[in-house]
Amino acid sequence: SQTIHQWPATLVQPVGSPLSLECTVEGTSNPNLYWYRQAAGRGLQLLFYSVGIGQISSEVPQNLSASRPQDRQFILSSKKLLLSDSGFYLCAWSVGRYEQYFGPGTRLTVT
Amino acid sequence: GENVEQHPSTLSVQEGDSAVIKCTYSDSASNYFPWYKQELGKRPQLIIDIRSNVGEKKDQRIAVTLNKTAKHFSLHITETQPEDSAVYFCAAFSGYALNFGKGTSLLVTP
Repeated sequence: SQTIHQWPATLVQPVGSPLSLECTVEGTSNPNLYWYRQAAGRGLQLLFYSVGIGQISSEVPQNLSASRPQDRQFILSSKKLLLSDSGFYLCAWSVGRYEQYFGPGTRLTVT
Repeated sequence: GENVEQHPSTLSVQEGDSAVIKCTYSDSASNYFPWYKQELGKRPQLIIDIRSNVGEKKDQRIAVTLNKTAKHFSLHITETQPEDSAVYFCAAFSGYALNFGKGTSLLVTP
């Protein structure tokens, strides 16, 4: 069966510091991968999606970037965090275009 | 792009009653409509979905209906239980991605 991992689970970072969040999927090949952000008490905002290695599409221009160095690995990065980057970051995967399954998430607090 | 509106934002029902959450979408090309349940501090979980060639789908106490002409779809939960308390999100698939509603916080009181 398929499993999705995210780490770290929680992170507290000062403003201006860099960020690297990692997501990996097991048990499937060539998944579509997604990064979402959920601000406190808010909905899900799609940040990036990838349909293959090295293929990244950005939905929201901002100081975040994503990379997919391997088929089942998706990384979210920032060179300098802003206070507004705080939130719950969720990675998701799908095979094909439809059913998406979320990882456990990383709760980021920028101080 | 696709715009998904979800109502109500909060819903409180008594245990055993039914709950209905409604969503509308704007892109007539949207063809897949999932519902997610998110408990506090947890990840969203896919609970039911429907494709555009189907009008209704049931899974035990939950059901989803789709009206393509009116561009709206609804989640129905019957015989609600306290463990149904959570935030529910609807979504519509358009282009390459899911577009989510803002969520409905459902509280089931014993």
